[in-house]
Amino acid sequence: SAVISQKPSRDICQRGTSLTIQCQVDSQVTMMFWYRQQPGQSLTLIATANQGSEATYESGFVIDKFPISRPNLTFSTLTVSNMSPEDSSIYLCSVDEGWNYGYTFGSGTRLTVV
Amino acid sequence: KQEVTQIPAALSVPEGENLVLNCSFTDSAIYNLQWFRQDPGKGLTSLLLIQSSQREQTSGRLNASLDKSSGRSTLYIAASQPGDSATYLCAIYSGYALNFGKGTSLLVTP
Repeated sequence: SAVISQKPSRDICQRGTSLTIQCQVDSQVTMMFWYRQQPGQSLTLIATANQGSEATYESGFVIDKFPISRPNLTFSTLTVSNMSPEDSSIYLCSVDEGWNYGYTFGSGTRLTVV
Repeated sequence: KQEVTQIPAALSVPEGENLVLNCSFTDSAIYNLQWFRQDPGKGLTSLLLIQSSQREQTSGRLNASLDKSSGRSTLYIAASQPGDSATYLCAIYSGYALNFGKGTSLLVTP
């Protein structure tokens, strides 16, 4: 299955600042997915990123707050903008490896906003 | 909208016990179901993937079953070990993206 390198693994940020999270996949994939996991909660899909087009955001998530880039078929970034303590979560990227393998996830970014 | 529920929310067992984690879902029109393991503060590791046409999958000490008609899946862990301590997540794929349960937090004590 694909290997996803996600950086940074964790960060502590000041409110009002922005953080960019990177995911690098060792193979070409059509779609990449970004999830958020708030403390004690399950994973919620933020957006789906296709190469060459704008990301598709789920209800409750907007591009100004979570801009996403997808410059090629192996790389994507998610930026958490103008952060507040409510943004403290684990952020994960994921790829769909198809019928036989299901989804593969990156190692996650643990974000704390103070 | 697909709702995924996992019971129990937390479980503590002594080493060596066999245990069952439960996952239920509201819409039986699924493509597949995937079980993941998550260590604290970390990403997800895929354990087992069951296609909608399958009844079960096995990997080592793990066995997952799927009953679409009743909207249930179980993850059976045989001869549990302290290294199995983690949160176990059930996720349903119904054609767009994964829908997750809240997970079962498992603690295996020596």
